[in-house]
Amino acid sequence: DQQVKQNSPSLSVQEGRISILNCDYTNSMFDYFLWYKKYPAEGPTFLISISSIKDKNEDGRFTVFLNKSAKHLSLHIVPSQPGDSAVYFCAAAVNTNAGKSTFGDGTTLTVKP
Amino acid sequence: DVKVTQSSRYLVKRTGEKVFLECVQDMDHENMFWYRQDPGLGLRLIYFSYDVKMKEKGDIPEGYSVSREKKERFSLILESASTNQTSMYLCASSTRTSGRLYEQYFGPGTRLTVT
Repeated sequence: DQQVKQNSPSLSVQEGRISILNCDYTNSMFDYFLWYKKYPAEGPTFLISISSIKDKNEDGRFTVFLNKSAKHLSLHIVPSQPGDSAVYFCAAAVNTNAGKSTFGDGTTLTVKP
Repeated sequence: DVKVTQSSRYLVKRTGEKVFLECVQDMDHENMFWYRQDPGLGLRLIYFSYDVKMKEKGDIPEGYSVSREKKERFSLILESASTNQTSMYLCASSTRTSGRLYEQYFGPGTRLTVT
């Protein structure tokens, strides 16, 4: 039972346009959501997060939107840059002290110059 | 900057060998995690530890064990390596500081090949 799903394995956008990466979850107990970025031959790095008490969080070119009723979150990158080309993982967590997260399969974003 | 280091970037082992993967973090984080990453399967949690000598099974613990004798070090052990354990192994750590609990810091990964 995959609790966090990223249904698009890949996404290609033109430089300067918006990239929208999507993530769906099934566990209504999740109350914290994160996005990570991973370059080849490196470990993932934390990008942005959102608590379930919010529906939007913004950090520079990156904005995460949360729709709790639809159990859906999305990451918007505006404007997209070639350096944004990477694998993006969404992750979700239940509010416990263990800090454990459940990750999606990842979406490979390619930003074309 | 938080630094998480893993003992090897690439490792080749034979079927049946006992394999040790070491992970060290330098930020005094309480939580540490071991994942494996396979194409199309994302990051799957093998084991995690929220304190010294404490460990919890993740989603795919079979064939693995872990050891955490010191706060900064978390070891993953493959008791008898098999070819289906060929994968990228990622270690991560996180703090229990409020507001940062879920942000994990990852090492560069160890690509293990079992032949």
